[in-house]
Amino acid sequence: RKEVEQDPGPFNVPEGATVAFNCTYSNSASQSFFWYRQDCRKEPKLLMSVYSSGNEDGRFTAQLNRASQYISLLIRDSKLSDSATYLCVVNRSGGFKTIFGAGTRLFVKA
Amino acid sequence: EAEVAQSPRYKITEKSQAVAFWCDPISGHATLYWYRQILGQGPELLVQFQDESVVDDSQLPKDRFSAERLKGVDSTLKIQPAELGDSAMYLCASSSIIRDRNWRTSGNTIYFGEGSWLTVV
Repeated sequence: RKEVEQDPGPFNVPEGATVAFNCTYSNSASQSFFWYRQDCRKEPKLLMSVYSSGNEDGRFTAQLNRASQYISLLIRDSKLSDSATYLCVVNRSGGFKTIFGAGTRLFVKA
Repeated sequence: EAEVAQSPRYKITEKSQAVAFWCDPISGHATLYWYRQILGQGPELLVQFQDESVVDDSQLPKDRFSAERLKGVDSTLKIQPAELGDSAMYLCASSSIIRDRNWRTSGNTIYFGEGSWLTVV
C-alpha cells in the first residue's frame, strides 16, 4: 500500500459543477499537508496548504481529517482552466520527508 | 516563471551515453530535491540535500545515478549510462521551512523548477 493514495480519476465534469477529491495517508506522524496543481507536461505548483481548521481560497476549499487520515479538496463553480492533475502532498519527520500522491486528473468541459 | 532554474529543458540521448542536469534553487533555500516523474505518476524523490549533505538518496539508483551539491547552492544530477527506462521528466525543487507558533519546524513548502525532459533512444 502506498503511503499517500489518491483516486486517479479522471473526473469529467461540466463547467459550473462542484467536484471533490480525497486523499488518504497511512502514516499517523504526518504533520503538514498540501495540494499541488500540475498542468500537462508542466511542473507541479502549490495550490494551497491544508490546515487543521480547514482552508478556503476563493472557489477552493481544503479540509483535513486527522482521525480518518485523509485530506480533501473541493472545487466549486468549476472553470475550464481548472482542468489539470491535482497532487496530494504529505510532510512528516519534522517536514523533511515529503510524499507525493500519484495525482487525480480533472477535466472540465464546456 | 519558476524561480528554480533548471537546464537543459529537453535532452535526447542514446542509451549507454552520459547525461547531466543542472539546478539552481531559490536563493536561501537550504533544501534541494531531485525528483523523477513518469507520465501519469506523481513525482518520485531521487535525492534530497540539506545544504551540501545528502539526507535521503534511498530511491536513487546508485549504480548509474549520481548527484552532488558541492557548495550547498546549485546541484548536478548525472546518469551514466542512460537506459531506455530513464526517459522521464527530472524535476529539481527547493523548499522553505514552515514553522509553527512555537518556532518548531512543521513542514516544507516545495517549489519546483520547470523540469528537464529526458528521452533515451
